[in-house]
Amino acid sequence: GENVEQHPSTLSVQEGDSAVIKCTYSDSASNYFPWYKQELGKRPQLIIDIRSNVGEKKDQRIAVTLNKTAKHFSLHITETQPEDSAVYFCAALTGGGNKLTFGTGTQLKVEL
Amino acid sequence: KAGVTQTPRYLIKTRGQQVTLSCSPISGHRSVSWYQQTPGQGLQFLFEYFSETQRNKGNFPGRFSGRQFSNSRSEMNVSTLELGDSALYLCASSLSAQPSHLNTEAFFGQGTRLTVV
Repeated sequence: GENVEQHPSTLSVQEGDSAVIKCTYSDSASNYFPWYKQELGKRPQLIIDIRSNVGEKKDQRIAVTLNKTAKHFSLHITETQPEDSAVYFCAALTGGGNKLTFGTGTQLKVEL
Repeated sequence: KAGVTQTPRYLIKTRGQQVTLSCSPISGHRSVSWYQQTPGQGLQFLFEYFSETQRNKGNFPGRFSGRQFSNSRSEMNVSTLELGDSALYLCASSLSAQPSHLNTEAFFGQGTRLTVV
């Protein structure tokens, strides 16, 4: 079945450094890849997404890249701040309709 | 514009009982998906409804079922509860049903925290 792998599971960076989270997907028909941020006790919130006809997308300090050939996509956060600390999930739209297959999450900790 | 609303927020049930959770999507959204979130398994897809029809189903036993009403509100039901069903149940609504459409963004509700004792 569809599978999305996410690495690393935990990531600790110093404030101001960059953070990179990587995901791979198995379903070559996937064409939409969102990233969600979930703070403790809160709902997942979409922070950025990318469609398969685009290789890169940027929104201020956040960027996502997609390599369709390798079935990889990555989240890049620059100039990290303490409020970036959260669990980040990648996902891929699979199987038609609105079924999202999620990665296992990355606990990002930004230290002062 | 109101967000996705899930009720109740918290629920404690006993093994063997059944439970019904409710999700009201954003106004105008016709697609509602349900996910189970646990520390060990992450976010697992349960099912998706569009126009009162189940479009996708995840790999959960038949004890998990759902439905969608004509106003797009959705309910999910879990029968014969097991301890392992304890989880945060999240629903997400989307404006469109097809990946090719521009508005595929899924908005999540706050979730229902179910504890089975």
